[in-house]
Amino acid sequence: DQQVKQNSPSLSVQEGRISILNCDYTNSMFDYFLWYKKYPAEGPTFLISISSIKDKNEDGRFTVFLNKSAKHLSLHIVPSQPGDSAVYFCAAKNGGSNYKLTFGKGTLLTVNP
Amino acid sequence: SQTIHQWPATLVQPVGSPLSLECTVEGTSNPNLYWYRQAAGRGLQLLFYSVGIGQISSEVPQNLSASRPQDRQFILSSKKLLLSDSGFYLCAWSTGTGNQYFGAGTRLSVL
Repeated sequence: DQQVKQNSPSLSVQEGRISILNCDYTNSMFDYFLWYKKYPAEGPTFLISISSIKDKNEDGRFTVFLNKSAKHLSLHIVPSQPGDSAVYFCAAKNGGSNYKLTFGKGTLLTVNP
Repeated sequence: SQTIHQWPATLVQPVGSPLSLECTVEGTSNPNLYWYRQAAGRGLQLLFYSVGIGQISSEVPQNLSASRPQDRQFILSSKKLLLSDSGFYLCAWSTGTGNQYFGAGTRLSVL
């Protein structure tokens, strides 16, 4: 049972344009959501997070939007840069647990110069 | 600042051999510690987590075990490796905020 889904395995965008990475979840007990970025042969790096009491969080070029009614969140990267090329993981935390994150399978973003 | 160290970076082991991967965290006390595995083409699967010394919770039945002999040390072990144990193993830590911070990972190839 996959509770966090990233339905697009890959995404390709041009440098300078917007990248939109999507994530859907099924567990209504999730109350905190995170995005991680991962380069090959490295550990994931925390990017940005959002609490379920908010619908938007912005940090520089990165913005995460949360639509609770649709159980959907998205990560916007504007403008996209070649260095943003990596696998992006969506993760969610259950409000009943302080410890466990449930990860999606990731989306490979390629930003073309 | 907090740092997490994980070693070795790569490991090639024959089937049936033992395994020991070590992870240490610096700059924080009483962290929650985690072991994940990323199999080829798949997401991150939580294997074990620990909220304190000697406290280990297992998420999936498997050929692996974990131990936490010290507050900031987390060890992943196996007595006999299987081919299916191949993958990318990641250690992570967190406090109570929910954000988890990952080590650089160990690429394990079982041949």
